[in-house]
Amino acid sequence: QVQLVQSGVEVKKPGSSVTVSCKVSGGTFTTYAVSWVRQAPGQGLEWVGGIIPIFETANYAQRFQGRVTITTDKSTNTAYMELSSLTFGDTAMYYCARGRGSTSHSFLYWGQGTLVTVSS
Amino acid sequence: QSVLTQPPSASGTPGQRVTISCSGSSSNIGSHTVNWYQQFPGTAPKLLIYTNDQRPSGVPDRFSGSKSETSASLVISGLQSEDEADYYCAAWDASLSGPVFGGGTKLTVL
Repeated sequence: QVQLVQSGVEVKKPGSSVTVSCKVSGGTFTTYAVSWVRQAPGQGLEWVGGIIPIFETANYAQRFQGRVTITTDKSTNTAYMELSSLTFGDTAMYYCARGRGSTSHSFLYWGQGTLVTVSS
Repeated sequence: QSVLTQPPSASGTPGQRVTISCSGSSSNIGSHTVNWYQQFPGTAPKLLIYTNDQRPSGVPDRFSGSKSETSASLVISGLQSEDEADYYCAAWDASLSGPVFGGGTKLTVL
């Protein structure tokens, strides 16, 4: 059974950066895309970006281009999302997710979420 | 503002049939398949329907999906109290080169 386990709560100051990790277990890591989806308090879901580990090239939502970096460590089956120049608007729950198929965006598996709070 | 448009709320009584709509455009629903997610407060979303009308293993057949041109629908037949949750539609968007979501519909079971 595929499981995604994320790192813990983060509290950051405006202008700083945050890195969230997502460890994948129970399935093939390198050929399945991992995406990041965020949800601001009381709001809907928003795709941040994704990566297929074997290709090591990430794709990002346009509104996050230049501020987000998604990477993987194939030795530990872990994906990372770094978001920089944080503002209060980045306060959200950040989820990692994996699709049904290798490039699928039907997100069948989800991490438990990491709450990132941006506060001065 | 979400790319896909959903009604913010829907409601029904136990046993009723409820439909949640999702409207998009030619760059997303019109040319790509639709997924639906169910989310309870404080938990991660759960894939409910994929590829327009397919259910993952374990999803009751009370849940069904359909798509027509640039719109999609989620139908819940025989509504149950445990169906009270938020529902999101999603589809790949060719113009944005990524998946997009609806704003979500909060379903209340009266």
